[in-house]
Amino acid sequence: EAGVAQSPRYKIIEKRQSVAFWCNPISGHATLYWYQQILGQGPKLLIQFQNNGVVDDSQLPKDRFSAERLKGVDSTLKIQPAKLEDSAVYLCASSDGGYGYGYTFGSGTRLTVV
Amino acid sequence: GEDVEQSLFLSVREGDSSVINCTYTDSSSTYLYWYKQEPGAGLQLLTYIFSNMDMKQDQRLTVLLNKKDKHLSLRIADTQTGDSAIYFCAESADAGNMLTFGGGTRLMVKP
Repeated sequence: EAGVAQSPRYKIIEKRQSVAFWCNPISGHATLYWYQQILGQGPKLLIQFQNNGVVDDSQLPKDRFSAERLKGVDSTLKIQPAKLEDSAVYLCASSDGGYGYGYTFGSGTRLTVV
Repeated sequence: GEDVEQSLFLSVREGDSSVINCTYTDSSSTYLYWYKQEPGAGLQLLTYIFSNMDMKQDQRLTVLLNKKDKHLSLRIADTQTGDSAIYFCAESADAGNMLTFGGGTRLMVKP
């Protein structure tokens, strides 16, 4: 089975620029998550989708971050405008709805804001 | 809110056992997990335990859960250099199935 695909793998942008990350979950997985992992810390949930609806976006900085999951499959996470503190690895994961042991994580997108 | 704490660093010699500890605060945690992260890679689920269990063994891995003290540990027997990585403890509460992660423990295995 193919894993969770993310692109790009790396991105370097200047502060105040915009950036978008893409995630393709495992086929058939209804739940999709975006996590932010700052260097030296554990991942923190940004947003959780169930099909194409948002389940939890309480930790998403909505003044600059947005995410969508059109048609309940692929998802895009956008940052506009980026700040230095947004430098992190952005991890996408998908789940078949089970209690976490059904999670599969992608390899992540490493964002550096300079 | 929920909080998951881990020690930052552990160094062991190859062949020894490693024990990585974790404490959590959410008494409604239903499932507790251990993930492994190697440099430049995503998170790999190693094992998980239900909150109504005390222990789970899976080959070289043993998970112990003390629900009263909200303490979770991961023991790796016969630790190998390939086990060098960052290990994350995580919990999943009843409200949805999002994961709350600890800060990670970096395991260094010396030959």
